[in-house]
Amino acid sequence: EAEVAQSPRYKITEKSQAVAFWCDPISGHATLYWYRQILGQGPELLVQFQDESVVDDSQLPKDRFSAERLKGVDSTLKIQPAELGDSAMYLCASSRIGQLTYEQYFGPGTRLTVT
Amino acid sequence: SQQGEEDPQALSIQEGENATMNCSYKTSINNLQWYRQNSGRGLVHLILIRSNEREKHSGRLRVTLDTSKKSSSLLITASRAADTASYFCATHHGAGNNRKLIWGLGTSLAVNP
Repeated sequence: EAEVAQSPRYKITEKSQAVAFWCDPISGHATLYWYRQILGQGPELLVQFQDESVVDDSQLPKDRFSAERLKGVDSTLKIQPAELGDSAMYLCASSRIGQLTYEQYFGPGTRLTVT
Repeated sequence: SQQGEEDPQALSIQEGENATMNCSYKTSINNLQWYRQNSGRGLVHLILIRSNEREKHSGRLRVTLDTSKKSSSLLITASRAADTASYFCATHHGAGNNRKLIWGLGTSLAVNP
């Protein structure tokens, strides 16, 4: 069964450093999402792509976070500079365009620790 | 962003017992979905119920939806230790590019052998 791939699985970085996460959605899934999940809470949408276009980035802290999906396939989420409060799980998900039920398929996540 | 509310926040039961989790939401929905998350992993879709449905079953899972009360419940029957996980409800709102999933805070379920 096809899966969403993410790397790295774990990342430890010092505050003020730059960090990047990569996601490869399920083949054929046009919609891609980046979520942040703080321990004990539900996922919070950071950015949503439809193909290579950003559909929703209203919750993305744009002063330090950026996301791109240049060819409409895989995507990169970057944080620069990282802050202590960015420690969280970063989840990538994808869904099929036109799928009315809007189910999302998640990758294993990247656990970020900022020291 | 708005989030649904789930209760209880944490639930501990013995293997073989049933587990019930509840979810409430604020605005009209297209559907409501339940996901499971094992410790430190991604979320896995469990079951979906459309706004015009009242009850749905999948294996040991039973979901109900009461749109008049804006609430849903997830029942796991004959629980197993492997059901230990966090369970999240997510409500689907909007249309076209305005479609969103709004997530609850989750219920942490511990099934003791």
